[in-house]
Amino acid sequence: KNQVEQSPQSLIILEGKNCTLQCNYTVSPFSNLRWYKQDTGRGPVSLTIMTFSENTKSNGRYTATLDADTKQSSLHITASQLSDSASYICVVRVSGGYNKLIFGAGTRLAVHP
Amino acid sequence: GAVVSQHPSRVICKSGTSVKIECRSLDFQATTMFWYRQFPKKSLMLMATSNEGSKATYEQGVEKDKFLINHASLTLSTLTVTSAHPEDSSFYICSASQPGRPNEQFFGPGTRLTVL
Repeated sequence: KNQVEQSPQSLIILEGKNCTLQCNYTVSPFSNLRWYKQDTGRGPVSLTIMTFSENTKSNGRYTATLDADTKQSSLHITASQLSDSASYICVVRVSGGYNKLIFGAGTRLAVHP
Repeated sequence: GAVVSQHPSRVICKSGTSVKIECRSLDFQATTMFWYRQFPKKSLMLMATSNEGSKATYEQGVEKDKFLINHASLTLSTLTVTSAHPEDSSFYICSASQPGRPNEQFFGPGTRLTVL
């Protein structure tokens, strides 16, 4: 069964600190993996996309890693800001078919001053 | 580019009434649109996939007669929740993909439906 699991479920950090969010997946066949940021009451916004051959990709203070062998990904946030408070969702696309996406449940991050 | 809008952003209705939610691709033509539902603190769940000019493909367990989807043009898809009940209260999100970028879905801002 295609599944995406994220940890932790929720996380509280102080402004300026770094954090790392985890994503494990059992999706086959694998096409790509994305990390999305979803603010409360809003739609998801893409942060990074990684294909099978990519190990790391950065977008400003966000750095995603992918280990296709162990089927694990992480999202590292550097120097957190209050505006980083949101849910971060790991999404894996199934290869072939009609653009099938498998969503993780998300990690709810709260950045406190 | 690749902006998707939804209308309304919030709607409150009485039980038994029908509610229509619009999803528009503002700056591109969307051959395929997707409708998702998200319950509090849960992940997005795909409800159906619609291609312009053809019938929507519903995911297992989603009642097609209750959730009517129309994709009449390349920039507009609508989701109508018929005879809404309180358990239909949820956050409904649409996404769209464009012909040249089939691997991407661009998400709308979502519609919060509350059925009293």
